[in-house]
Amino acid sequence: AQKVTQAQTEISVVEKEDVTLDCVYETRDTTYYLFWYKQPPSGELVFLIRRNSFDEQNEISGRYSWNFQKSTSSFNFTITASQVVDSAVYFCALSEPTSYKLSFGAGTTVTVRA
Amino acid sequence: DSGVTQTPKHLITATGQRVTLRCSPRSGDLSVYWYQQSLDQGLQFLIHYYNGEERAKGNILERFSAQQFPDLHSELNLSSLELGDSALYFCASSVSGRSTDTQYFGPGTRLTVL
Repeated sequence: AQKVTQAQTEISVVEKEDVTLDCVYETRDTTYYLFWYKQPPSGELVFLIRRNSFDEQNEISGRYSWNFQKSTSSFNFTITASQVVDSAVYFCALSEPTSYKLSFGAGTTVTVRA
Repeated sequence: DSGVTQTPKHLITATGQRVTLRCSPRSGDLSVYWYQQSLDQGLQFLIHYYNGEERAKGNILERFSAQQFPDLHSELNLSSLELGDSALYFCASSVSGRSTDTQYFGPGTRLTVL
């Protein structure tokens, strides 16, 4: 069973528009961690944010914000006022205490047009 | 720059050959993880080492093996290579190897098997 689902395959926006990426996860654990990573065209995987399951407070960091809702098992990520440099593939990932690995979603390709 | 280094950046080889991918973790990190990223499978966890000992195995083929050395660098050995082994191989490191850790990824090694 897929643990992390990113239903959006591709999103295309014009610069300065906001972009929201959806992530739905599945776990039986009560304590777990959720992550967002970015993979720009150059190929490296860049860590963006981390959230633990027992703190549902949503936060903002610069142009990034995230909405964690345990009741719906969702961990959505928003880029405000998008820029061309935000063009990348964005991955949502889950870390569970019963596993030493990250389970990744399939990724969402974001294209920001000037 | 995550602080995780991987060499080589690109590797082109033929079917049936053997290659070694190298990874140096961030300073102070004791855990190393290997992931494979391919178009059909996405990002898949291969194996995890903590302070020289194997901690967990994922979808790693028997033709693949890894080790972590006393200086904490790690090598992933791929043998009897097949066309389907062509992929981007990532190494990640974390402080302790617990599920609470953030994993920081290296730039990856792109393997092409011809």
